[in-house]
Amino acid sequence: EVQLVETGGGLVQPGNSLKLSCATSGFTFSTAWMNWIRQTPGKRLEWLAQIEDKSNNYFISYLESVKGRFTISRDDSKSSVYLQMNNLKEEDTAIYYCSSTTVVTGVMDAWGQGASVTVSS
Amino acid sequence: DIQMTQSPASLSASLGETVTIECRASEDIYSNLAWYQQKPGNSPQLLIYDANSLADGVPSRFSGSGSGTQYSLKINSLQSEDVASYFCQQYNNYPYTFGAGTKLELK
Repeated sequence: EVQLVETGGGLVQPGNSLKLSCATSGFTFSTAWMNWIRQTPGKRLEWLAQIEDKSNNYFISYLESVKGRFTISRDDSKSSVYLQMNNLKEEDTAIYYCSSTTVVTGVMDAWGQGASVTVSS
Repeated sequence: DIQMTQSPASLSASLGETVTIECRASEDIYSNLAWYQQKPGNSPQLLIYDANSLADGVPSRFSGSGSGTQYSLKINSLQSEDVASYFCQQYNNYPYTFGAGTKLELK
């Protein structure tokens, strides 16, 4: 069974940092491309970042508005993907999901249950 | 960025009815379109990719169609478990972008 489990969410003050983790199982993580997507309080979905696999030199793509503040990384030995978020703003308040891409580039074929991040003073 | 416009924003239908949700892209996305279902309190789940390919385990009452800039998701013989929000997503260009969603309720 494919599983993705996000941890690390919480309440943080504006300007502070938070690191989300996503532990996975049930699929070949090393060849999967991994993504982070967030869902705003208004229920809109926003793709944030993608990291490709080793054969693609772990190439990374970001949504322009988070480039420089957010960093995606992965550890194939732990079947985990991470999202480091710096200089957080109130508009970053959302549910953050990790997702896997294993079949078709760009398709999120499995999602975690989400981690809630609230940025507020 | 490619804008994805979904309609309607909400929809009320009866059990057994056929419903259709539309998604329009701001430019040609060459069938690089996926549909996701999000049941209340859960994360999104893949329904359809490449505009018309059913994901594993998805009931055959779901189908997708379209090309160019216009796409649709059809649910035949609506079941109670289909109550959910539905989102389209393009993956033709970065950044990947989603429609605003359609909330489907039972009448």
